Amino acid sequence: DIQMTQSPSSVSASVGDRVTITCRASQGVTSWLAWYQQKPGKAPSLLIYGSSHLKEGVPSRFSGSGYGTDFTLTISSLQPEDFATYYCQQTNDFPWTFGQGTKVELK
Amino acid sequence: QVQLVESGGGVVQPGRSLRLSCVASGFNFRSYGMHWVRQAPGKGLEWVAVVWYDGKNQYYGDSVKGRFTITRDNSKNTLYLQMNSLRVEDTAVYYCVRGQSSMDVWGKGTTVTVSS
Repeated sequence: DIQMTQSPSSVSASVGDRVTITCRASQGVTSWLAWYQQKPGKAPSLLIYGSSHLKEGVPSRFSGSGYGTDFTLTISSLQPEDFATYYCQQTNDFPWTFGQGTKVELK
Repeated sequence: QVQLVESGGGVVQPGRSLRLSCVASGFNFRSYGMHWVRQAPGKGLEWVAVVWYDGKNQYYGDSVKGRFTITRDNSKNTLYLQMNSLRVEDTAVYYCVRGQSSMDVWGKGTTVTVSS
């Protein structure tokens, strides 16, 4: 199985900050990498698919990049509604596996 | 609108069985692969299983292989998860998810608690 490792596990940030989350795969997944946002008590929602493609309706302050084993999710200017937990997921091979999550908290 | 609604969760004793259902609406259900994803209390997301759009292929996570079965009825726009030999560690919120190359539509989830 492909292991996905996110870092950091948590980050404290302020409104307006730039936040970067990294995700590393234990083997190459080409561009088959998605990012999800989950708020407490809610289902996750898709932000980015194919490593860098923004889902329709997702604000442009979110961006993704990477290929192979190393990927990043960047929030260019953190907004109050962005405080949540973020997960990466590889969809290159079954079982599709998630990273452990990164919690973005208010500093 | 596109919607997935799960049902069938509850409290069950270890070793017993439970069947979850998920009714889809607002899209052409028979054209999409469908998944179950779960989340134990306070934990991260765990992919459980997938069934192809036509029901002919399935894959399972290692922790449920041999105990859980994913099926679908395209005539009823419904996805199922038959869970047998349940364990305490199967306690989680179970999400029904639409997905081809990513998981773009999620249900609100149904809670399964395995406890004696």
